[in-house]
Amino acid sequence: DGGITQSPKYLFRKEGQNVTLSCEQNLNHDAMYWYRQDPGQGLRLIYYSQIVNDFQKGDIAEGYSVSREKKESFPLTVTSAQKNPTAFYLCASSMRGAGIQYFGAGTRLSVL
Amino acid sequence: DAKTTQPPSMDCAEGRAANLPCNHSTISGNEYVYWYRQIHSQGPQYIIHGLKNNETNEMASLIITEDRKSSTLILPHATLRDTAVYYCIVYQGGSEKLVFGKGTKLTVNP
Repeated sequence: DGGITQSPKYLFRKEGQNVTLSCEQNLNHDAMYWYRQDPGQGLRLIYYSQIVNDFQKGDIAEGYSVSREKKESFPLTVTSAQKNPTAFYLCASSMRGAGIQYFGAGTRLSVL
Repeated sequence: DAKTTQPPSMDCAEGRAANLPCNHSTISGNEYVYWYRQIHSQGPQYIIHGLKNNETNEMASLIITEDRKSSTLILPHATLRDTAVYYCIVYQGGSEKLVFGKGTKLTVNP
């Protein structure tokens, strides 16, 4: 089936630890996105990539890093510099410049 | 920042039509209105979009006023599975990103 796969579904981070969230798509989309969602809030854009080997900061990029070495994959690393990482993280993909984005099921990150 | 205004919550009886309003008074001529919904603890799902004409698909209808300053998403026969947060988004074709506001939490009651 075509779609976006995020893993893991749940993730726990210890103090001072970096953790990486996986996002894979088989929709042949050029563009991929990472969003953060806090309880009762809308989605906020962390990073996005329109093409392989290129990405841009979104509205809340501090404390996060990404890479885009393959078209299918856009992993997000939550670094120790992100002091409040507890949130629901969503990955999406789209045709470049298109308004229809396809979302994964999300990863819920908590701090131990 | 989001260019749209939506009520924070609405209720609807099961089997009745759900009409979700959205104001976008500053919309430009080349900007579209998109609707997504997010069922609890899932990723958002695209519903429908339009520029100035009314649109209908298998999920919903979108009514855009003639001046394009507001729109209404209509779920013709709401079911309990339609309980979700609905996001109205103004998007310029070719733009690099969508901007999500807080949306409207629709609760469909039995």
